[in-house]
Amino acid sequence: RKEVEQDPGPFNVPEGATVAFNCTYSNSASQSFFWYRQDCRKEPKLLMSVYSSGNEDGRFTAQLNRASQYISLLIRDSKLSDSATYLCVVNTDSWGKLQFGAGTQVVVTP
Amino acid sequence: NAGVTQTPKFQVLKTGQSMTLQCAQDMNHNSMYWYRQDPGMGLRLIYYSASEGTTDKGEVPNGYNVSRLNKREFSLRLESAAPSQTSVYFCASEAGTTYEQYFGPGTRLTVT
Repeated sequence: RKEVEQDPGPFNVPEGATVAFNCTYSNSASQSFFWYRQDCRKEPKLLMSVYSSGNEDGRFTAQLNRASQYISLLIRDSKLSDSATYLCVVNTDSWGKLQFGAGTQVVVTP
Repeated sequence: NAGVTQTPKFQVLKTGQSMTLQCAQDMNHNSMYWYRQDPGMGLRLIYYSASEGTTDKGEVPNGYNVSRLNKREFSLRLESAAPSQTSVYFCASEAGTTYEQYFGPGTRLTVT
């Protein structure tokens, strides 16, 4: 079983709509959680950290559910520029080693 | 402030050839990492360096070696390239306090 699992998608979303997707992780000792964004053939870039109480950054909302071991990302008022692959990332180490999911592809259409 | 830089951007090797991928960061970060990314898979850690002078194996170290030349530079060497090493290679650095990693633009390597 993979340590971090994501629905690969694609999630096809009309511009202006809301899209949400989850990521599950297997290690209950996981400590830190992140969403990274990766555009086609580019490097991953940090989108946001995920805090225990949930957090929001503009149109993006991230939630953590430790009991069920998943994190979620919700994108409101989707823009064409939100089209990308979203990587779920979990830190399971007291150090800095991260586990990456394979990504969820989002395609925002006009 | 360039962040994390990698060279080369593209490379084609024949089986058995060797090469070194270079990575440098100007953010004064202590930790640096090498990942590979293959289709349908998440990034997998090859080697990492917690600080200058230290290196450790990650999830998929076989066939690779690394050198942490100084605080800025962390290189990845393929001694005898194999087709299974065809991949996109990313270098990343991290301050060491928040686990937030910053990535270079990647090297696309093809081994024929």
